[in-house]
Amino acid sequence: GAVVSQHPSRVICKSGTSVKIECRSLDFQATTMFWYRQFPKQSLMLMATSNEGSKATYEQGVEKDKFLINHASLTLSTLTVTSAHPEDSSFYICSAKDSMNTEAFFGQGTRLTVV
Amino acid sequence: AQSVAQPEDQVNVAEGNPLTVKCTYSVSGNPYLFWYVQYPNRGLQFLLKYITGDNLVKGSYGFEAEFNKSQTSFHLKKPSALVSDSALYFCAVRANTGGFKTIFGAGTRLFVKA
Repeated sequence: GAVVSQHPSRVICKSGTSVKIECRSLDFQATTMFWYRQFPKQSLMLMATSNEGSKATYEQGVEKDKFLINHASLTLSTLTVTSAHPEDSSFYICSAKDSMNTEAFFGQGTRLTVV
Repeated sequence: AQSVAQPEDQVNVAEGNPLTVKCTYSVSGNPYLFWYVQYPNRGLQFLLKYITGDNLVKGSYGFEAEFNKSQTSFHLKKPSALVSDSALYFCAVRANTGGFKTIFGAGTRLFVKA
């Protein structure tokens, strides 16, 4: 199957700093990428959907100025958590799909801890 | 609006026994249905999907799922469970009417005892 690589797998940052998470499709062109947030023992909450070269579409309740998403190429999307606070601590997962397949493929996730 | 329900938080089964993880959905139009598995601190792995055609879908690692339109269900099954199947399983649905927004169920934790 298609491979999606997410980096870093874990990051600890101080309150007030910004953190960037990368999501790369390694063997296919990701026309659409998705960013999810997962709280402990809960399901995935879709944060935003991005198409290459376009602005991301954010879900209701997600602050687009806080969670900056860039999808500048067909193989890379980034999520930047700006001015992070402890309540932003969570597991963030990206997924990507190409124009041919109906299913999306997931990265391994990033555990963000804000101290 | 799309929604997915996984009525069981946890399913326990003995190794070698058949397993079923339940999923029901609500979507406008015909659905695309998916099952994913998640291991601790990892992303999701795709297991199988239903798009159209045969109601019984076979996927990875011996898993299969049956699409039942009248009951709006898409239960995940495996004839003989393995201890290594123990993980968190997510059912997901997407409408086929355009757009790619996929909604996930709350997840069901499967424990397979040796």
